[in-house]
Amino acid sequence: QKEVEQDPGPLSVPEGAIVSLNCTYSNSAFQYFMWYRQYSRKGPELLMYTYSSGNKEDGRFTAQVDKSSKYISLFIRDSQPSDSATYLCAMKAGNQFYFGTGTSLTVIP
Amino acid sequence: EAGVAQSPRYKIIEKRQSVAFWCNPISGHATLYWYQQILGQGPKLLIQFQNNGVVDDSQLPKDRFSAERLKGVDSTLKIQPAKLEDSAVYLCASSLGGSGETQYFGPGTRLLVL
Repeated sequence: QKEVEQDPGPLSVPEGAIVSLNCTYSNSAFQYFMWYRQYSRKGPELLMYTYSSGNKEDGRFTAQVDKSSKYISLFIRDSQPSDSATYLCAMKAGNQFYFGTGTSLTVIP
Repeated sequence: EAGVAQSPRYKIIEKRQSVAFWCNPISGHATLYWYQQILGQGPKLLIQFQNNGVVDDSQLPKDRFSAERLKGVDSTLKIQPAKLEDSAVYLCASSLGGSGETQYFGPGTRLLVL
């Protein structure tokens, strides 16, 4: 069983839609939860991170962590064509970082 | 502020050859990470340095991979000898402190082993 599971998609939505991206995990030791955006042939770019359970909002992006269910989500409101990218969840335990496989998102104008 | 620099951007080698990648982190960042990203997968952490010391290298295949960060700034990652399954993008990242929640990634080096 992988440490972090993420549906690879692809996910295609119309411009302006609300997007929901999710990851599940098995390791109860994970304390920090991150979301990265990766454009084609570029390095990942951090969108936001949260510590432990709860919600965090930054502009059009909201991250949720439910440690009891071992489930994290990233919501994108009013999605734009420029949001088209691969979204990676990542988690930290100790000095180790574990990434999901990424979900490919396309926002259609 | 300049980002994380990596070179070369692309490399094609034959199996059993050796190859080296270079990374220059953001100025002042104490922690440097090397990741391997195989096509269709998320990045896998290979090694983490804090200044010039190794924090974690538990997932580095030490029989063929080596890395160093002399003087606590630039770093090199070497593969010798390369195998077909080493074909991947090698990403370097840096963070200001040691906690690593905010990492800045370079563009990566795309390696193809034939």
